[in-house]
Amino acid sequence: GQNIDQPTEMTATEGAIVQINCTYQTSGFNGLFWYQQHAGEAPTFLSYNVLDGLEEKGRFSSFLSRSKGYSYLLLKELQMKDSASYLCAVLYSGGGADGLTFGKGTHLIIQP
Amino acid sequence: DAGVIQSPRHEVTEMGQEVTLRCKPISGHDYLFWYRQTMMRGLELLIYFNNNVPIDDSGMPEDRFSAKMPNASFSTLKIQPSEPRDSAVYFCASSLRLVDDTQYFGPGTRLTVL
Repeated sequence: GQNIDQPTEMTATEGAIVQINCTYQTSGFNGLFWYQQHAGEAPTFLSYNVLDGLEEKGRFSSFLSRSKGYSYLLLKELQMKDSASYLCAVLYSGGGADGLTFGKGTHLIIQP
Repeated sequence: DAGVIQSPRHEVTEMGQEVTLRCKPISGHDYLFWYRQTMMRGLELLIYFNNNVPIDDSGMPEDRFSAKMPNASFSTLKIQPSEPRDSAVYFCASSLRLVDDTQYFGPGTRLTVL
């Protein structure tokens, strides 16, 4: 089976940096996604990692270590609008089909 | 493009009734996904289609749930009979590819079963 762990909730200050961690156990790993979801809205894509290393995209960066089953999402220069849930999702192959499993999300609260 | 379109946006029904949720993917996308989201279980993949063919339905909770995709521009998720524990937000998403591509989510259907 697939297992994804991420913290339930985090709090950070406007203008600061926050790192949201995600650990996973899966077979047939094919990549890892990060999505952002504001309350009452649909998830929106942030990043995709399949190779080890850091992918930077503006204020957001995502890191992957396949050997450790570990990823993190780094948010810089935090803004109030970054208050949202951040979902880690693992793409895997198995049983003749690819699948996608989401973590339960990390609720990020930004304080002034 | 208008993005992924779902209807209805809200549905309230009584236990035992049939519920049909509808989705129109982004034109040209080969993959369509149905998800369910609850506070307890988070976002769960129910089923996905590739070129209108169901590929993996291992996430469908039980036989009361069924999904179809009769053509490239339309899909339905049906629950018959519905139960209170089916209350959730149901998202439809579409993408060009499965790997190395983003999924675009629809606005969701909030289902309440009384």
